Amino acid sequence: GAGVSQSPRYKVAKRGQDVALRCDPISGHVSLFWYQQALGQGPEFLTYFQNEAQLDKSGLPSDRFFAERPEGSVSTLKIQRTQQEDSAVYLCASSPPRVEQYFGPGTRLTVT
Amino acid sequence: DAKTTQPNSMESNEEEPVHLPCNHSTISGTDYIHWYRQLPSQGPEYVIHGLTSNVNNRMASLAIAEDRKSSTLILHRATLRDAAVYYCILISNSNSGYALNFGKGTSLLVTP
Repeated sequence: GAGVSQSPRYKVAKRGQDVALRCDPISGHVSLFWYQQALGQGPEFLTYFQNEAQLDKSGLPSDRFFAERPEGSVSTLKIQRTQQEDSAVYLCASSPPRVEQYFGPGTRLTVT
Repeated sequence: DAKTTQPNSMESNEEEPVHLPCNHSTISGTDYIHWYRQLPSQGPEYVIHGLTSNVNNRMASLAIAEDRKSSTLILHRATLRDAAVYYCILISNSNSGYALNFGKGTSLLVTP
């Protein structure tokens, strides 16, 4: 079946613009995660959903970052007033509860 | 969270076995040892996991030391497609939904 998909794959934003990144998880997967990966680094945890409930948002770097999953399937990561330090690859992963995660290809965000 | 230590990089010849080490001296009794890998320009993918016993699957083998303070991921015959960053990750029940703490991983270079 289809894997995790993310859109757009590439996004260029001018500093100060708002962006929205979309994640379509594997159908039926309860858990959904967002990670941020800076160049040359490993992915870092941002936030976790179980169905529509956001159970952990401890990794979100500032209040400019907001994530939602209103119907327990598709999720959107929104970044307001983007800054240059927000430039990174944003990865989405989904899984059944407490088993291995399946990752999407990521969205590469470049803030100019 | 218990930490893992991996070499920054390793090199292997194609069609030879590769042993990727991971030290986790502060592992607790309920921590699972997971391995993920990330091919260039892709999201991470699950490789294998274990608790105490050695594990085998179609991708690799995981050898876990008797005291569980270290483990080794074994690729039996490296191919060029195995060139990736390999992450050794400890997961406990306290991790939010099994959120992953990637670290920097080991960059594996496979030469023909």
